[in-house]
Amino acid sequence: QVQLVESGGRLVKPGGSLRLSCAASGFAFSDYYMSWIRQAPGKGLEWVSYSSSSGSSIYHAPSVQGRFTMSRDNAKNSLYLEMNSLRVEDTAVYYCVTEWGGEQRAFDHWGQGTLVTVSS
Amino acid sequence: FVLTQSPATLSLSLGERATLSCRASQSVSSYLAWYQQKPGQAPRLLIYDASNRATGIPARFSGSGSGTDFTLTISSLEPEDFAVYYCQQRRTFGGGTKLEIK
Repeated sequence: QVQLVESGGRLVKPGGSLRLSCAASGFAFSDYYMSWIRQAPGKGLEWVSYSSSSGSSIYHAPSVQGRFTMSRDNAKNSLYLEMNSLRVEDTAVYYCVTEWGGEQRAFDHWGQGTLVTVSS
Repeated sequence: FVLTQSPATLSLSLGERATLSCRASQSVSSYLAWYQQKPGQAPRLLIYDASNRATGIPARFSGSGSGTDFTLTISSLEPEDFAVYYCQQRRTFGGGTKLEIK
């Protein structure tokens, strides 16, 4: 079955950096579009970043553009999110998610999430 | 582009029918999805393309709508249905509706 396991979340100071990873298994990872979606404590869902199946097309939300970089390694069935210049408002659970149908049509499989806390 | 969900909170009893609304600020394609999220869990896809149930989703969940107005209906509430529900269109999510037991 599809399994997505995020890691790398921790407490970091404002202005700091962090790299999140997502290990995928149970499906043909290299065939799937992927996204990162986050959820601040007690808040709703926010789409963060998207990668095409090959990694040749990557998009980020305006709120993280220029600070976050999404990448993938299809040989390792892994997804990454490099986060720089972190702000308090980046505090959230970050989910690794598969897309169904492309164009962010629907997000059909979610990891359990990894918590990033940005605080001094 | 904004998705507005209403009501923010819906209080109903077991066995009742739940009707959740999602309104888009401009007409959208039928690429409208609904998710259920329980405390401490990741969201789960319920409905895609406005009216298609995802794999394993019970038939009591149904979606409808087009243009700017979409609805998620739960025909008869079970204990496990009390949760927060989100609609989503492309990169935008609605603010959520909390379905609570009355």
